[in-house]
Amino acid sequence: DAGVIQSPRHEVTEMGQEVTLRCKPISGHDYLFWYRQTMMRGLELLIYFNNNVPIDDSGMPEDRFSAKMPNASFSTLKIQPSEPRDSAVYFCASSPSPTNEKLFFGSGTQLSVL
Amino acid sequence: SQQGEEDPQALSIQEGENATMNCSYKTSINNLQWYRQNSGRGLVHLILIRSNEREKHSGRLRVTLDTSKKSSSLLITASRAADTASYFCATATRGAAGNKLTFGGGTRVLVKP
Repeated sequence: DAGVIQSPRHEVTEMGQEVTLRCKPISGHDYLFWYRQTMMRGLELLIYFNNNVPIDDSGMPEDRFSAKMPNASFSTLKIQPSEPRDSAVYFCASSPSPTNEKLFFGSGTQLSVL
Repeated sequence: SQQGEEDPQALSIQEGENATMNCSYKTSINNLQWYRQNSGRGLVHLILIRSNEREKHSGRLRVTLDTSKKSSSLLITASRAADTASYFCATATRGAAGNKLTFGGGTRVLVKP
């Protein structure tokens, strides 16, 4: 298996632009997590899905952020409009079981908002 | 807010020495996991300890869990330069569907050859 695949690897955009981050989880994994990592705040859980349904989005910073999972093999995290404080590394992770005893992480998307 | 807080924030040791890092958390957990992150990469799962376990070993890794103190420790024995990385604890708490994982701030470990 190729593992969790995220794209793009790097994204540089200007303030006010829409940004879409993509994630393909490992086939057969029913749980998908989006995390954001910054020096100041560490790794923050933004949202997680079970069987394509959002379960907990309490970590989504504000309405500018939205996440979808239209099918079992694809998820997006969208920021519209983007702001410089959104600059961070965004990770997607997947897991095969409800106990989530082991998350498999993608390589992350380094987002820079100028 | 972070469920887990790690200590120390950074650690520098010589190759061959042991590295110990600690994690404290605030609420009841189902399990606690440790992950490693190399610079510029995603996190990699190292070891899990369940709430009813007190100690777990995996190769050069030893994890302890004290639920009464809400704390865990990770020991890496006979460290190698390749162990240089950031280490994170993650606490699993029951969510509306499945366990939700919350990560601590991490410990940066530098192993000098």
